[in-house]
Amino acid sequence: QQQVKQSPQSLIVQKGGISIINCAYENTAFDYFPWYQQFPGKGPALLIAIRPDVSEKKEGRFTISFNKSAKQFSLHIMDSQPGDSATYFCAASTANQAGTALIFGKGTTLSVSS
Amino acid sequence: KAGVTQTPRYLIKTRGQQVTLSCSPISGHRSVSWYQQTPGQGLQFLFEYFSETQRNKGNFPGRFSGRQFSNSRSEMNVSTLELGDSALYLCASSPFRSTDTQYFGPGTRLTVL
Repeated sequence: QQQVKQSPQSLIVQKGGISIINCAYENTAFDYFPWYQQFPGKGPALLIAIRPDVSEKKEGRFTISFNKSAKQFSLHIMDSQPGDSATYFCAASTANQAGTALIFGKGTTLSVSS
Repeated sequence: KAGVTQTPRYLIKTRGQQVTLSCSPISGHRSVSWYQQTPGQGLQFLFEYFSETQRNKGNFPGRFSGRQFSNSRSEMNVSTLELGDSALYLCASSPFRSTDTQYFGPGTRLTVL
């Protein structure tokens, strides 16, 4: 119940295309869903996050879509660029409960070809 | 503000040895979390410290331990190293909760031979 399942494991997208990464969870107590981006040799960095009171959040070219009934959320990267090539992790937690941890998906390696 | 710093960046040890890794959080951050990252298992939560107290612990054996000092700096220790402990160990800090925005350090790459 604590797992977050992420797919696909790897993704190749043409420059200018749309990258879509999906995550699913089981624990209905989760109420905070961030996405992290990691470049080689660096630690993950927060990209965008959503709480279940909204179905979509957009920040620049990055959009999170959230489907509470299906217990799924996804990251869309519009107009993908070579600089977006990185590993992306979804995560989930119960944000209002101190002492709980972020549970991460296993990551998606995105390659944007020019 | 300076980011999260971790030392050392790289470490090579042999089986059976022990190792201590250090993390300095962003100034003013009181929550420090540790993660193990491997290609097969991804990012796995080790433990979280807040105000020198372990507030949460992941599913790792007792060989993995940690502590936090009064200045919020944290150390983690792995005793009796095994080959499977080879990984990138990441430290993340946040203001109060591990579920606030976490700021990750660059990690310590541990290789066990």
